[in-house]
Amino acid sequence: NAGVMQNPRHLVRRRGQEARLRCSPMKGHSHVYWYRQLPEEGLKFMVYLQKENIIDESGMPKERFSAEFPKEGPSILRIQQVVRGDSAAYFCASSPSLGGTGELFFGEGSRLTVL
Amino acid sequence: GESVGLHLPTLSVQEGDNSIINCAYSNSASDYFIWYKQESGKGPQFIIDIRSNMDKRQGQRVTVLLNKTVKHLSLQIAATQPGDSAVYFCAEKGGNTPLVFGKGTRLSVIA
Repeated sequence: NAGVMQNPRHLVRRRGQEARLRCSPMKGHSHVYWYRQLPEEGLKFMVYLQKENIIDESGMPKERFSAEFPKEGPSILRIQQVVRGDSAAYFCASSPSLGGTGELFFGEGSRLTVL
Repeated sequence: GESVGLHLPTLSVQEGDNSIINCAYSNSASDYFIWYKQESGKGPQFIIDIRSNMDKRQGQRVTVLLNKTVKHLSLQIAATQPGDSAVYFCAEKGGNTPLVFGKGTRLSVIA
């Protein structure tokens, strides 16, 4: 019974490159959330998606960041033209369909380092 | 004792003692609260949750207390063990809003 799977676990990019982070939710979960965590800080909400729909992107920067959760395949968080300030741990979480308690199940995170 | 580190407040306790981690939440409309534990290099792990119609809930070695009047949440860990050393986050949720995390407290267990 696999949990939330994220890859890559570590990613190094140079300024201006693109970063793609992938997340496969737990089996049976159709809700995906992305959070960002800076060192020594809490998790900041970025975006909430269901299959093929963005439900809430109030925490996403307006430029360079995008997210998708296609009908088939993992959810992708894409960061274009990365800058040093994008260096952080990006966590994906999933929750069950309607009727869930609200608890989120987190993956182990993808740590992005921008040189 | 409790001290404020560079960013995260830190609580140091002796092994075997009880730990109390506090959290002040911000939204009076929040009706669901979770405590997460995050070990170094890992993702947050669910510990215990509580709904706003309750003021106390117990799990295995952990108890969560909710005081809605002052918007305060606490996590009590009985007989703290070295494996409890981690950063602990409270998180709140209301209606369709996303789960909002607090700042976190680092628990350091002294053997």
